[in-house]
Amino acid sequence: AQTVTQSQPEMSVQEAETVTLSCTYDTSESNYYLFWYKQPPSRQMILVIRQEAYKQQNATENRFSVNFQKAAKSFSLKISDSQLGDTAMYFCAFMKHASSNLFFGTGTRLTVIP
Amino acid sequence: KAGVTQTPRYLIKTRGQQVTLSCSPISGHRSVSWYQQTPGQGLQFLFEYFSETQRNKGNFPGRFSGRQFSNSRSEMNVSTLELGDSALYLCASSLVRGEGNTIYFGEGSWLTVV
Repeated sequence: AQTVTQSQPEMSVQEAETVTLSCTYDTSESNYYLFWYKQPPSRQMILVIRQEAYKQQNATENRFSVNFQKAAKSFSLKISDSQLGDTAMYFCAFMKHASSNLFFGTGTRLTVIP
Repeated sequence: KAGVTQTPRYLIKTRGQQVTLSCSPISGHRSVSWYQQTPGQGLQFLFEYFSETQRNKGNFPGRFSGRQFSNSRSEMNVSTLELGDSALYLCASSLVRGEGNTIYFGEGSWLTVV
């Protein structure tokens, strides 16, 4: 079974500062994918960033980057130059290679303070 | 290109009734998944459909069912509603199954059972 753990229920960051959200996971799979999704107050889930487990290079999308440590089963999200629009719930998620089933963590509520 | 469309957006049902929720995936997407989101249980996978066949099912009672039509549109049904079924039901679609394909979510259907 796959489990995803987000140990920070809530975090806050000053506008323009950098913040890192933590995520660990447990799996016996060798080929899988990891995601960070953002859920703003509208409740629509929006993909932030995606990482293939077989790639050692950390994924980057503009101000968002990840630190993927496969051996440690860790997948943290770094948000640089935080903006007010980044305020949302952030979910870490895991997907096996041959599936479209996402396993989600419990989420981290991020507040960007002006 | 239209996103994932879910109807209805909000509904209130009485305990014991049944409900049907509808989801239209992004044009061309053939995989449709459903998730339940509650404050207590978080985001949980319900089921996944691909080519009109259920490919995967989460740990939910038989009262939860679904189907997919030839145009990839999907419906989920909950019979004999219980108070605990009150939740945000999210539909998601992707082009194909697995392989880390990007999964796009709809805005959800808010179900309140009274």
